[in-house]
Amino acid sequence: DVKVTQSSRYLVKRTGEKVFLECVQDMDHENMFWYRQDPGLGLRLIYFSYDVKMKEKGDIPEGYSVSREKKERFSLILESASTNQTSMYLCASSPLGRRKSEAFFGQGTRLTVV
Amino acid sequence: AQTVTQSQPEMSVQEAETVTLSCTYDTSESNYYLFWYKQPPSRQMILVIRQEAYKQQNATENRFSVNFQKAAKSFSLKISDSQLGDTAMYFCAFMKPRGGSEKLVFGKGTKLTVNP
Repeated sequence: DVKVTQSSRYLVKRTGEKVFLECVQDMDHENMFWYRQDPGLGLRLIYFSYDVKMKEKGDIPEGYSVSREKKERFSLILESASTNQTSMYLCASSPLGRRKSEAFFGQGTRLTVV
Repeated sequence: AQTVTQSQPEMSVQEAETVTLSCTYDTSESNYYLFWYKQPPSRQMILVIRQEAYKQQNATENRFSVNFQKAAKSFSLKISDSQLGDTAMYFCAFMKPRGGSEKLVFGKGTKLTVNP
């Protein structure tokens, strides 16, 4: 059974803290994605990666960075957490350029910044 | 840049009836994938159905089918014989496969409630 695992389901952090959200997939997928989900705004892409050490900015990268040192792991970093980063964060992975391409999602991390 | 628009923030339907969710997209590409994803209240996002743009035939998966109109850039989802378990957020998504940098773009979602 395919799996995308996010390290935490709920997280509470203080303003100004450096926050790490971890995502691991066991499907040998090339593509990995980080989204934030807010009511009425849908899923907005923060960053994605199509290979180890490769990354591209999504639509809302400000205040975030990412790391992909190994194929199976994609980390989202909030350099200095702020209250407007309180949100649901979803990680996803997908195989590269195949006809049966689909994205698989983790269970989400609800981050609250206080 | 590709954009995906879902014009219905919320919809409701009676159990056993049929409902159609709308999605339009904007792209200059000719080859791409379109998806409908479902997110139940438990949060795990799962794929409902997928359409490859080069295929003219509309995709179907049991009670779920799409109406893909490539020229109109429209991709609607029809749910037949609605069930209580269909209550969820539904997201339309677009991906252009190009051997690297395959960004997956979502619409804002439609909240569907199936009433008993």
